[in-house]
Amino acid sequence: GESVGLHLPTLSVQEGDNSIINCAYSNSASDYFIWYKQESGKGPQFIIDIRSNMDKRQGQRVTVLLNKTVKHLSLQIAATQPGDSAVYFCAEKVLSGNTPLVFGKGTRLSVIA
Amino acid sequence: DAGVIQSPRHEVTEMGQEVTLRCKPISGHDSLFWYRQTMMRGLELLIYFNNNVPIDDSGMPEDRFSAKMPNASFSTLKIQPSEPRDSAVYFCASRRDRTYGYTFGSGTRLTVV
Repeated sequence: GESVGLHLPTLSVQEGDNSIINCAYSNSASDYFIWYKQESGKGPQFIIDIRSNMDKRQGQRVTVLLNKTVKHLSLQIAATQPGDSAVYFCAEKVLSGNTPLVFGKGTRLSVIA
Repeated sequence: DAGVIQSPRHEVTEMGQEVTLRCKPISGHDSLFWYRQTMMRGLELLIYFNNNVPIDDSGMPEDRFSAKMPNASFSTLKIQPSEPRDSAVYFCASRRDRTYGYTFGSGTRLTVV
């Protein structure tokens, strides 16, 4: 897995605007991806997942986009709210076998009220 | 569903002491994962179990760390002797075998002084 340095990338967004959080994954064989949200003092929480046979998946206020060509994943949050402030992690996995999730670098989202 | 339960929430101990962290996975989940989170390294997988059997412990930093899963509803992570560099938040997560998203506990914040 990747390591996170002392400084997490930070995204500051005005309340009500849309947020886009990006992730570059490392393993071209990965075929399953998850976005997690981690609020201060809590464990990571599942937000949305996507398999490699899709390039887009939508949830409630969130959309995940997958570009396998450039190994890029993004999470879009519509109408960002103060409660969306958290660290967001992408995670990748190879579905075959019993391999674990590998977490990428986190991005801190700060919502300005 | 009470979720993944970890105890204690906080642990402060002196260098050289033994530390035991506990985890109760979600009932019916077949896989259990121990992660460590620090600012420098992010989320690191330490070890994971499938059907109570350790599958991969390559992430365990050294022999001072050991983990057990005596039954489907309980796991421990032990550090003996503890060192200041072990200070981190330790997360336990579980997963139902046929699904791939993990459910994380709230973590144990360990401080070794």
